[in-house]
Amino acid sequence: NAGVTQTPKFQVLKTGQSMTLQCAQDMNHNSMYWYRQDPGMGLRLIYYSASEGTTDKGEVPNGYNVSRLNKREFSLRLESAAPSQTSVYFCASSENPSNYGYTFGSGTRLTVV
Amino acid sequence: GQQLNQSPQSMFIQEGEDVSMNCTSSSIFNTWLWYKQDPGEGPVLLIALYKAGELTSNGRLTAQFGITRKDSFLNISASIPSDVGIYFCAGRLNSGGYQKVTFGTGTKLQVIP
Repeated sequence: NAGVTQTPKFQVLKTGQSMTLQCAQDMNHNSMYWYRQDPGMGLRLIYYSASEGTTDKGEVPNGYNVSRLNKREFSLRLESAAPSQTSVYFCASSENPSNYGYTFGSGTRLTVV
Repeated sequence: GQQLNQSPQSMFIQEGEDVSMNCTSSSIFNTWLWYKQDPGEGPVLLIALYKAGELTSNGRLTAQFGITRKDSFLNISASIPSDVGIYFCAGRLNSGGYQKVTFGTGTKLQVIP
């Protein structure tokens, strides 16, 4: 019963470094999402993919890129990390864009120094 | 963008006490959702509300969709230690094919045994 799997769980980057956060789901969901969680800010949508082959910007897309590699996998890339991107990142999936039943991964805690 | 304000931000209660928290918005929503996040994990859906005035229960949890469609309430009765966590409200509004979900800032609940 894996659900949504995120890797890595923790990461420390230096300013300017790049990295890719990986997300995979095994529920045959069509839609996938990347959120960031900051203290006092709730969860904010970075990018989403309504279905395989499509991606769209969310509320806070600047500094990020995404790839929907296949139906299972949706990755988030930071090309040049900045301290403002220090956050906890959550991947989520749902059957389709109108389905409220988001399943979240356990998060990636990223620190940019 | 839309803002969801949750109150209180945090609360300490004695085991066995009832808990109330609420969420207010500057805009109306079609759906209200309540999630719980355990430490180190992603949020998990507790209750979904679809109609203004709707009152829905899930075990010891009861949530209501406000008549104005701009607020929602969550009550937990007879709290137990495993109720500890952060509770998020979320509002969903149709936005073309993607139903935008806005998350609140969270209420952190601590239960004293």
